[in-house]
Amino acid sequence: DAGVIQSPRHEVTEMGQEVTLRCKPISGHNSLFWYRQTMMRGLELLIYFNNNVPIDDSGMPEDRFSAKMPNASFSTLKIQPSEPRDSAVYFCASSTGGGETQYFGPGTRLLVL
Amino acid sequence: SQQGEEDPQALSIQEGENATMNCSYKTSINNLQWYRQNSGRGLVHLILIRSNEREKHSGRLRVTLDTSKKSSSLLITASRAADTASYFCATAGRGSTLGRLYFGRGTQLTVWP
Repeated sequence: DAGVIQSPRHEVTEMGQEVTLRCKPISGHNSLFWYRQTMMRGLELLIYFNNNVPIDDSGMPEDRFSAKMPNASFSTLKIQPSEPRDSAVYFCASSTGGGETQYFGPGTRLLVL
Repeated sequence: SQQGEEDPQALSIQEGENATMNCSYKTSINNLQWYRQNSGRGLVHLILIRSNEREKHSGRLRVTLDTSKKSSSLLITASRAADTASYFCATAGRGSTLGRLYFGRGTQLTVWP
């Protein structure tokens, strides 16, 4: 079975550019989570969706960050404009919901110069 | 904060020894989960223990949960160099917070050959 798929795996961009991260959850999972991991702040939940609807976006740091889930098999996290402090590893995870086990993707390592 | 807190932050042992990591949390939970993260990878689910359970085993892993003390422990027996990783506890809350997990900062385990 394919796990959670994220793309790209690595992204290097310059400050001010738009960055789009993509995620394909496990088929049949109805909850999707976007996390950011840094040495300073650890693992932070940015936003999560249930049945394609955003439930909690309180972790989204600024208006520069936006996330969408147009259908059950695809989600995007966009940063526009990007800044050096956005450099981090961004993980997508999916689950069957209800606080059950989450399955993480391999992450996107973002470096903003 | 609803986040779990792992203790110790770092643990260094020899192969064959047992490793014990602890997690404390502050609110009522539905379940508590442990995850492992190898360097440069996504988190991988290890074990889930529900609030009405006290102990659970999976291979060389043993997890205990004491809801009166709001704490959990993860024991890895007969550790191997391949167990070197960061270990995170995550709690699933009740009520309105059900759906998301609250991750701690993790324990970095190093197992020396």
